[in-house]
Amino acid sequence: EMQLVESGGGLDQPGGSLRLSCAASGFTFSNYWMHWVRQAPGKGLVWVSRITGDGSNTAYADSVKGRFTISRDNAKDTLYLQMNSLRAEDTAVYYCARTFLSRDAFDIWGQGTMVTVSS
Amino acid sequence: DIVMTQSPDSLAVSLGERATINCKSSQSVLDSSNNKNYLGWYQQKPGQPPKLLIYWASTRESGVPDRFSGSGSGTDFTLTISSLQAEDVAVYYCQQYYSTPPDFGQGTRLEIK
Repeated sequence: EMQLVESGGGLDQPGGSLRLSCAASGFTFSNYWMHWVRQAPGKGLVWVSRITGDGSNTAYADSVKGRFTISRDNAKDTLYLQMNSLRAEDTAVYYCARTFLSRDAFDIWGQGTMVTVSS
Repeated sequence: DIVMTQSPDSLAVSLGERATINCKSSQSVLDSSNNKNYLGWYQQKPGQPPKLLIYWASTRESGVPDRFSGSGSGTDFTLTISSLQAEDVAVYYCQQYYSTPPDFGQGTRLEIK
């Protein structure tokens, strides 16, 4: 079964840091581009970042550029999101999702991990 | 950036009736080189992650019931549920993946009347 499982969420203070992980199984991880999408409580879906299959190219939403870093370890079939300088508005459920092509629909999603930024 | 706008924000439909959700992009998401519309539809039920229903604007994902259909081209798209079932209560999102950032519409909440 193809699966994505996020972890690493929790409560942190403004200005703090968290690292999210997304473990993939059931498919050849390195063949897929990977994305992070977040959803604030009661709000819609917002794309955050993406990384190519080999990890050579990344992109970020303007709201997180310079604060968040996406990376992957294809040997461990794991995607990461390093989140620094956290703000209250970063509070959300963070989902990882995959695409097969550079321009493709998000066909597999994880269950999400909750990040709360509050003092 | 391409802005995606859905209408309506919420919708109440009787069981067995048709539900129609619209999505408009601020720029065309049609690639004339391959005649593909880079538009997807997702369903999100409470407490669950989004689920891909439709891609390339009109191709149903494997396992999705055939009462779900997508149509449209260029900048105007529609998701239709031909005969609403109780399990279809959810929030529905369109998404363009023509360019980065691959943004979503604001969502349409579908309820039973």
